[in-house]
Formats: sequence, C-alpha cells, structure tokens
Amino acid sequence: SQQGEEDPQALSIQEGENATMNCSYKTSINNLQWYRQNSGRGLVHLILIRSNEREKHSGRLRVTLDTSKKSSSLLITASRAADTASYFCATDGGSYIPTFGRGTSLIVHP
Amino acid sequence: SQTIHQWPATLVQPVGSPLSLECTVEGTSNPNLYWYRQAAGRGLQLLFYSIGIDQISSEVPQNLSASRPQDRQFILSSKKLLLSDSGFYLCALEEPRQGGYTFGSGTRLTVV
Repeated sequence: SQQGEEDPQALSIQEGENATMNCSYKTSINNLQWYRQNSGRGLVHLILIRSNEREKHSGRLRVTLDTSKKSSSLLITASRAADTASYFCATDGGSYIPTFGRGTSLIVHP
Repeated sequence: SQTIHQWPATLVQPVGSPLSLECTVEGTSNPNLYWYRQAAGRGLQLLFYSIGIDQISSEVPQNLSASRPQDRQFILSSKKLLLSDSGFYLCALEEPRQGGYTFGSGTRLTVV
C-alpha cells in the first residue's frame, strides 16, 4: 500500500511564484524524503528530513515536517521553468524501505 | 561517489518473451539495492530489494524475479512477459551516509 500521498496532484504556476506541495502519510517514520523526476527520467533525491527535525532548507527548497499531523510540505521559492517536473515524497514506514506517493506534477510557465 | 547504471533505456518485447534488465553500481560495496516499477502517471511500486548477494526480498507477487549474483549487480527477470508488465523500471541504491536513494535512469518497457 502507498504510504505517502502528495497533494495537489497537479500544480501550474508562473515563473517567480512559489510552489507548495504537501505529503501525508499513515504510519510512523524514521525519515521522509522528497524527490524530483523529469519526464521519462529517474528520480533525483532533493532532501531528507528526519523524524526529529521540523524544518530543513536546501537552496530554494524548504521542507517542513509535522509528525503529529503525519504531513510534510515542500516549498520551492522563486520558481523557474526548469523546476517543471513531478515531485514525490517517500517515507520509510519505520522499515528503512521507502514507499512513494503518486507525485505532484508541477508546471512552471515562463 | 556512488553511481548506478541501468540498461537498456527502452525495450519493446512481445508477450511471452523473456526479460532481463541489469543494474550495476560503482563506488560502493555491499549496497542495499531496489527495483521499482512506475506505471504511467502513477507512483513507484517497490518490486524487490536486496541487502546482499543472493539475498532478495519480494514485496508483491508478480510475474517477475530478481537476482543478485554479484555485490554490485542486480538483475530483474521474467520468463514470460505479460502486457501488464509494461512500465518504467527503476533501480535504486541506498546512500547510507547522506540518506536518501540514488536512482538509475530507468528502463521503459513496452510489452506488445
């Protein structure tokens, strides 16, 4: 069964705007990860946040984790056309084996 | 640094034919390796994972099998492909130091 579910399924914004994607999960986790996938390509690891962390930054990316709500968000600030991709969250369900949601398809219009 | 190689990039196979997809890694030893399948517009489904040579765990019953004959080689196979085996197959390597997983570039399999 799928552990993490992203929301929204699709997001369309203009270049320069911020993009926010959410991930909800069901069971306890050791960590939560966000990945990016360009069309027809493999996934690229963006950021990992551990269960005892609440917020993490990497460049224009900001990830938050709320273990009480079993949810995480990925914020991309000042988006660019090159950010167009699908974004997935992955959770380990406490087993260190990641399971992925269906992803959020982000389109950034130049 | 760890790298992961996956081939072929695309494959079209008739129903009933055999399958062999290979994944090899460099720059690490005794890695945890994974095979995922991604159907069009869907998330990733974990098929197999391996923590060592000849140690394979299967997550879902299916028409596929996996083998790990060498530490850095992970093979996905089928004796007879079904139409439902079509999809995008991804091999992944765990990055124990930084966390997260490194993915191969994937194989697009179309069974016709």
